[in-house]
Amino acid sequence: DTGVSQDPRHKITKRGQNVTFRCDPISEHNRLYWYRQTLGQGPEFLTYFQNEAQLEKSRLLSDRFSAERPKGSFSTLEIQRTEQGDSAMYLCASSFGGAVNEQYFGPGTRLTVT
Amino acid sequence: AQSVTQLDSQVPVFEEAPVELRCNYSSSVSVYLFWYVQYPNQGLQLLLKYLSGSTLVKGINGFEAEFNKSQTSFHLRKPSVHISDTAEYFCAVRGNYGQNFVFGPGTRLSVLP
Repeated sequence: DTGVSQDPRHKITKRGQNVTFRCDPISEHNRLYWYRQTLGQGPEFLTYFQNEAQLEKSRLLSDRFSAERPKGSFSTLEIQRTEQGDSAMYLCASSFGGAVNEQYFGPGTRLTVT
Repeated sequence: AQSVTQLDSQVPVFEEAPVELRCNYSSSVSVYLFWYVQYPNQGLQLLLKYLSGSTLVKGINGFEAEFNKSQTSFHLRKPSVHISDTAEYFCAVRGNYGQNFVFGPGTRLSVLP
């Protein structure tokens, strides 16, 4: 078990471009979460999957953001028409079952929009 | 909805001194409380959590926290810190419905030699 992995670790893009991030959770974990963290702030919840179903989305997740978990394993987060305000660390976490299960976090993908 | 306040954005402390990092929350429902630590260039790691039962919770690396329902607080303490404890510490709350975690803004603990 290598933990939660995220790819890429860093992404620099120009405003208006689309970007896609990938998260590979711990293999037996059925729940997967995406968070956004800006400098000096704690992680902000974006969305949550149980298996392949997207069960909860934050109002922070504008129409330009979309997340998928097609086979209940890895997940992708796509941002279309990036804006400078999208610059942040995007964190993925996974957990297994239970109501108050521990979330295991990946190292994050740092996005810089120029 | 829940919210979390961490009043101290930065806490400098000398090595081997005690430390307390403060966390207050607000919620209209019963909550579960967590402390996470983030070392530089690493993901968040769970230190400890309060679900129910004893209000004093012990975690990894010698940390403990006490849940105080009347004061809606969940302060983190360690009796003697080490240089290696230098990191960002986040308090988080989750209501007993739904999966949404709400994190505080974090407290940067700097342990000085």
